[in-house]
Amino acid sequence: GQQVQQSPASLVLQEGENAELQCNFSTSLNSMQWFYQRPGGSLVSLFYNPSGTKHSGRLTSTTVIKERRSSLHISSSQTTDSGTYLCALEDTNAYKVIFGKGTHLHVLP
Amino acid sequence: NAGVIQTPRHKVTGKGQEATLWCEPISGHSAVFWYRQTIVQGLEFLTYFRNQAPIDDSGMPKERFSAQMPNQSHSTLKIQSTQPQDSAVYLCASSLDGANTGQLYFGEGSKLTVL
Repeated sequence: GQQVQQSPASLVLQEGENAELQCNFSTSLNSMQWFYQRPGGSLVSLFYNPSGTKHSGRLTSTTVIKERRSSLHISSSQTTDSGTYLCALEDTNAYKVIFGKGTHLHVLP
Repeated sequence: NAGVIQTPRHKVTGKGQEATLWCEPISGHSAVFWYRQTIVQGLEFLTYFRNQAPIDDSGMPKERFSAQMPNQSHSTLKIQSTQPQDSAVYLCASSLDGANTGQLYFGEGSKLTVL
C-alpha cells in the first residue's frame, strides 16, 4: 500500500478561510518535508520538520511521529496560495524520500 | 547560489530515440535524487546518489533507464529507446546529506515529450 497518504486530495476555499492539510504515513521516518508547487512549476520547500511544530508567516507545520502524521495549516488563505501541496517523508530504513500524491488547493477571490 | 540546475528544460524526442537529461546540484551538496512526475502517478522516486556513489536505484525501470554521477558537479539520466509512456517531467534534487537526508532542493525540471 501507499506509504504516504495526503488528504484531502483537493480543496476549494474562499479567500480568507483557513485550511488544514493532512499527511499520514505508514512507515518509520527520519524526517518530514512539505513542498509547494504551482502548475508547471518546480517544488519549493516550505518546511523541513522532523518533529514538533514550525511556523513561517501564515503557515504552520506540525509533525507527530508516534501518531504517524503531519499537518500543514494555512491561515487567512490568499489566491496566491493556490497550487499543490506535497508532503514527503524520509524513510528510516531506505534513506530515500517518498512523496504523497498532494493536495490541490484552489483559493477563490 | 544558483540552486539546482537542470537542462534541457524541454525535450521532444521521437519514439525509439535516446534522451539524456542533466542535473547540476547545489555546490557542496553530497546527495542527488532523480524523480519523475506525471499527473497520473505523481512524484515517483527513481534513483539516489550519495558522494557520487549510487545508493538506491529501486525506482528505475531496469531496461532502458540509467543514471550516472561522474563527478560531484553533475549527474545524468539517460533513457534509451524512449517510449510515449516515458513522457513526464524529470526532477532532480540535491541535499547536504548529513546524518539524515536533510532538506531537498529541487531544480526546475526537464519536461520530456516522446511522440
